[in-house]
Amino acid sequence: AQSVSQHNHHVILSEAASLELGCNYSYGGTVNLFWYVQYPGQHLQLLLKYFSGDPLVKGIKGFEAEFIKSKFSFNLRKPSVQWSDTAEYFCAVAGAGSYQLTFGKGTKLSVIP
Amino acid sequence: EAGVAQSPRYKIIEKRQSVAFWCNPISGHATLYWYQQILGQGPKLLIQFQNNGVVDDSQLPKDRFSAERLKGVDSTLKIQPAKLEDSAVYLCASSLDHGSHEQYFGPGTRLTVT
Repeated sequence: AQSVSQHNHHVILSEAASLELGCNYSYGGTVNLFWYVQYPGQHLQLLLKYFSGDPLVKGIKGFEAEFIKSKFSFNLRKPSVQWSDTAEYFCAVAGAGSYQLTFGKGTKLSVIP
Repeated sequence: EAGVAQSPRYKIIEKRQSVAFWCNPISGHATLYWYQQILGQGPKLLIQFQNNGVVDDSQLPKDRFSAERLKGVDSTLKIQPAKLEDSAVYLCASSLDHGSHEQYFGPGTRLTVT
């Protein structure tokens, strides 16, 4: 069975700090990888996704993630966070062709102005 | 484009009572998903429909949970009887059945069982 591990439960940063949220997955095959974000009071929405090709994926709002197959990782990064990035971030994996998502437990990001 | 609609947004019931949640997916989305999100955890898939057929319900506790999508559009999820551990947010998502299959999520129904 596939699983996703997110290393940090709660991250607190000051504005302009750099962000890296860890995500490791377990799956015995080709995967599609996703980061979802849930802003306070809003729906879960897709931040970025990796299906194939360039392992460095760029998403909305300046976020990017790098797929490192040898490490089973898909870490999320942003060079300079803003207060508006305060949200909960979920990493998810789907087996290629299944489209069924398995989510991690989420990382809550708080950005202090 | 209208998003995924869910109702009610909040529901409080006592254990052993029954409850139903409703979801209307984005128009034209053939695939519909129900997830359970317990506090402090990520969403967990309960059931996946393609049109009005069930694709996967392996994680649905069938002794108390049921779901249907009779006309291949909107869907209902029912719990009968509810237990304390069913307290969670129930999320509905929908996607096209081709292309990237990106899932669009609704606002969820927050269920509290007392």
